[in-house]
Amino acid sequence: GAGVSQSPSNKVTEKGKDVELRCDPISGHTALYWYRQSLGQGLEFLIYFQGNSAPDKSGLPSDRFSAERTGGSVSTLTIQRTQQEDSAVYLCASSLQQVSTDTQYFGPGTRLTVL
Amino acid sequence: SQKIEQNSEALNIQEGKTATLTCNYTNYSPAYLQWYRQDPGRGPVFLLLIRENEKEKRKERLKVTFDTTLKQSLFHITASQPADSATYLCALDGENDYKLSFGAGTTVTVRA
Repeated sequence: GAGVSQSPSNKVTEKGKDVELRCDPISGHTALYWYRQSLGQGLEFLIYFQGNSAPDKSGLPSDRFSAERTGGSVSTLTIQRTQQEDSAVYLCASSLQQVSTDTQYFGPGTRLTVL
Repeated sequence: SQKIEQNSEALNIQEGKTATLTCNYTNYSPAYLQWYRQDPGRGPVFLLLIRENEKEKRKERLKVTFDTTLKQSLFHITASQPADSATYLCALDGENDYKLSFGAGTTVTVRA
């Protein structure tokens, strides 16, 4: 079946511009995660959505970052007024349930480059 | 806060040999640990999960050990093949029941 998809696969933007990254999770998966992966670094947790519960936004690095998940399915991560340090690969993952023992299925990521 | 360290250097091995990767952690006692594989330009793919009460787990040519006293997990790829070349990430359960904390990964290259 279809896995997690993300778009765009690559995004080059100028400093100060806003960007939107999209994630389509696996159908039926209630949990959705966003991570950031910088070169040589581990995956950095950004935000977590579970069903209709309030999202866990504790990993968002600044108020320039926001995310929403509409209808319990598609999610968008928005970065306002992008900075060069925002350059990284942004990964989305979904899992069937909310417990972290459940396998997370990752999308291919969006590579963001801020010039 | 919890800290996770994996082999800092890339691992280059000959086909057929065993690759051994380490994952050390501090400031936390995880209930379980996961290993993922990541290929260039792709997202991580889940491989194995081992719980704190399990000493060892196997899946085909993969073996994972979990030593809660040493705060260490070892990941072994036996009879390695060039197709095993990838970056391998370890991940620990976090402070609540849905977060994972990932290490930076170890890149393995298997030479034919």
